[in-house]
Amino acid sequence: GENVEQHPSTLSVQEGDSAVIKCTYSDSASNYFPWYKQELGKRPQLIIDIRSNVGEKKDQRIAVTLNKTAKHFSLHITETQPEDSAVYFCAASSAGTFQGAQKLVFGQGTRLTINP
Amino acid sequence: GAVVSQHPSRVICKSGTSVKIECRSLDFQATTMFWYRQFPKQSLMLMATSNEGSKATYEQGVEKDKFLINHASLTLSTLTVTSAHPEDSSFYICSADPGLAGTNEQFFGPGTRLTVL
Repeated sequence: GENVEQHPSTLSVQEGDSAVIKCTYSDSASNYFPWYKQELGKRPQLIIDIRSNVGEKKDQRIAVTLNKTAKHFSLHITETQPEDSAVYFCAASSAGTFQGAQKLVFGQGTRLTINP
Repeated sequence: GAVVSQHPSRVICKSGTSVKIECRSLDFQATTMFWYRQFPKQSLMLMATSNEGSKATYEQGVEKDKFLINHASLTLSTLTVTSAHPEDSSFYICSADPGLAGTNEQFFGPGTRLTVL
């Protein structure tokens, strides 16, 4: 089955600097790669996603890049702000077992701290 | 749109009792819902895929007789933790895929914090 590795586990950056989180996946059939932000005790919130037919996607200060050949994808946050502090998870979607539903396999998470 | 609710948000129970958690899609129908478990400072681990009108599909290592899933309608899936023990204490989160064109985005419920004494 799919396996997703995420690095680093913790990341501390100065406010205004950029943060990069990287993930690798194992199943070449995976075709959907979302990134989630989770605050303590809350549900994961989708911040950006990318499909396998696209190499890069950007939404204001957040961007995601995908390298299908190498099977890795990365989250880039520019001009970081204190409210960006949270745990971030990458995920890869592989084929499910019922009516085409695709299940998500999550990375281990990165605790991002933005220092004022 | 695409709102998912969970009930209860928190539950404390005694060891050996059973606890039912409900997951509802409020403004869309979901043939498939997913149940995840998240231990403190860990990632979300998929437990099972809940299929409307048929049996759930469990991930390897998840006991189907302990974690009973019922997907009775296109808007409701329930997870029952039977004979709960302290090691079952965790954050349980459901999600649903509304089948939006061009994306496989899942929408997550707010989670249920289960504490077994």
